[in-house]
This record gives sequence, C-alpha cells and structure tokens, in this order.
Amino acid sequence: KAGVTQTPRYLIKTRGQQVTLSCSPISGHRSVSWYQQTPGQGLQFLFEYFSETQRNKGNFPGRFSGRQFSNSRSEMNVSTLELGDSALYLCASSLEWLASHEQFFGPGTRLTVL
Amino acid sequence: TQLLEQSPQFLSIQEGENLTVYCNSSSVFSSLQWYRQEPGEGPVLLVTVVTGGEVKKLKRLTFQFGDARKDSSLHITAAQPGDTGLYLCAGGTDTDKLIFGTGTRLQVFP
Repeated sequence: KAGVTQTPRYLIKTRGQQVTLSCSPISGHRSVSWYQQTPGQGLQFLFEYFSETQRNKGNFPGRFSGRQFSNSRSEMNVSTLELGDSALYLCASSLEWLASHEQFFGPGTRLTVL
Repeated sequence: TQLLEQSPQFLSIQEGENLTVYCNSSSVFSSLQWYRQEPGEGPVLLVTVVTGGEVKKLKRLTFQFGDARKDSSLHITAAQPGDTGLYLCAGGTDTDKLIFGTGTRLQVFP
C-alpha cells in the first residue's frame, strides 16, 4: 500500500507570493490533516478535512486555507507569504478522525520564503 | 490553550545507556501518542495510550500514561544508534484535535 505523498518536496517563494501544496492520502483514508513544523514552534495543527469538509481548525490566520477533493486528496494554500511561513508542512491521513487514531504522515514539503 | 512540554529538549548519550523522556501538561487528554521523526521524514507513530495509568511496552521502549491523563513518559532501555531521532508526544483533546509536544531530540553515539 502506497504511503502518503506530498508534492512538491521543496519550494522557494518570495514574500507576497502565494503557494499551493498537495497531499495524496493512503488509499481508503478519508481524513487528511495539515501541520506546520518549525524549530521554534514545533509541530502545530493547521486544519483537518474529512469527506471534503473542514472538521477542525488550528489557530492560524486566514491566509492559510485548504480543501479536500472527492478522492480525499487535499491541497493547502498560503496567500501573501511572509518570512515566518518558512517551515516544513506535513500532511497526515487516517481512516477516520478520532484523536486516538493513528495518523500516517507524509515526508513533508519544505517551504522557504525569501 | 492546551500545551505539552517535553523534557529534556536534547539528549546525547552513549549506546547501551538508559533514558527517560517526559511529556507534561496541566490539561487532561483523552489519549496520548508517541511519535518518532527522522530527518527528511514525517513522524511515525510508536504507540497510543488511552487509559490513565496504562503502561505499554514495545521491545526496549516502555510508555506510561499518567493516572490523571495529564502526563506521559517514554523509557528506552539500552539505547542503540538506531533510536536516534526526534521524539514527539501528542495529546488528543476533547475537540478531536491532536496537540503535539515540544519535542525531544535524541542522539545515541556508538
């Protein structure tokens, strides 16, 4: 069974630009969550999608948005990029959404904002 | 805001030593997970504990969930270089979010 895939793996953008990251979950998984990981703040929850609906949201500004398609693939978008958005963005999928369910993480997209 | 503080932040030991990593909070969690993350990869789940006082063993790793479900510990016996990585605890909240701890970076030297 293929794991969670994320594209692209690396991305360099400049301030003010926008970016779209993609995540393909494990086949059969309906829940997709996004996290931001930085050395200073650690791993922080962005949002979670289940059956194309945003079920949960973290404390991030509205510049961060996402969506999920009918095949469970998900995208997240960051508009008006800031230097502080430089981070590793991780996507995780699970069969159902319960906090105790195992989440399978992808390798992440490393975003650098110059 | 629910926070999970891990200690120590960094740990550098020789192969064969024992170690314990702590994960503490003032909040109650419905479940507690431990992950290990290696460079260039996403975190991988090691264990999930859901009952206060629960102890789980995974080979040389022993995980314990505190009686009050506010804290957890991870004990590694006879550490090996392959145990090197970033260890993360994560607590499940009553709103079904997963809150990650601050992380413990472990380096085991041969």
